[in-house]
Amino acid sequence: DTEVTQTPKHLVMGMTNKKSLKCEQHMGHRAMYWYKQKAKKPPELMFVYSYEKLSINESVPSRFSPECPNSSLLNLHLHALQPEDSALYLCASSQEGVAGTTDTQYFGPGTRLTVL
Amino acid sequence: GIQVEQSPPDLILQEGANSTLRCNFSDSVNNLQWFHQNPWGQLINLFYIPSGTKQNGRLSATTVATERYSLLYISSSQTTDSGVYFCAVEQVGYSTLTFGKGTMLLVSP
Repeated sequence: DTEVTQTPKHLVMGMTNKKSLKCEQHMGHRAMYWYKQKAKKPPELMFVYSYEKLSINESVPSRFSPECPNSSLLNLHLHALQPEDSALYLCASSQEGVAGTTDTQYFGPGTRLTVL
Repeated sequence: GIQVEQSPPDLILQEGANSTLRCNFSDSVNNLQWFHQNPWGQLINLFYIPSGTKQNGRLSATTVATERYSLLYISSSQTTDSGVYFCAVEQVGYSTLTFGKGTMLLVSP
């Protein structure tokens, strides 16, 4: 099974709302990622969790708050977002490769977020 | 950081045609991955190919790491091949992927 699942598929929220995106994988991968993708652009890395610890934060605003409750789950908590945060949010997972490198990344279907 | 350039940026094919997509990168890499993003946004990993040649059905890929490029070959294209093809590399000394801007492919019947 090479599936990464994400919920919800679509989300519309106001600038004062608090919401969460969820990601789950059961491939035993120990690295999980959040990416943000704007239309007609490549995915941009936001966060990396390795063995359930935040290992990379690409200078993401604090209105995005990641959480890794266990090795299979990854959440992204959203609060006080701006309209420019509207995008496709993608979760991915991978094994760790040799000497800490990344292995094949498997992506979920994404959550399309609209901030009004 | 590493630069990843993909060409062509856009490609329109008739069903059944063959095509070659190119990815150039500016520094040494640990690995290189090719992805296909379908029109609904799903990113599918096609190849993990730090060097050499791999084949999967109508798709094949070749990476020449010493010359810092990779090629993705699509043979006998089908309308379901439409979408955006991304090349992504992991630069030596890093543990994250840097994506190119992609090649948008449209296969018409």
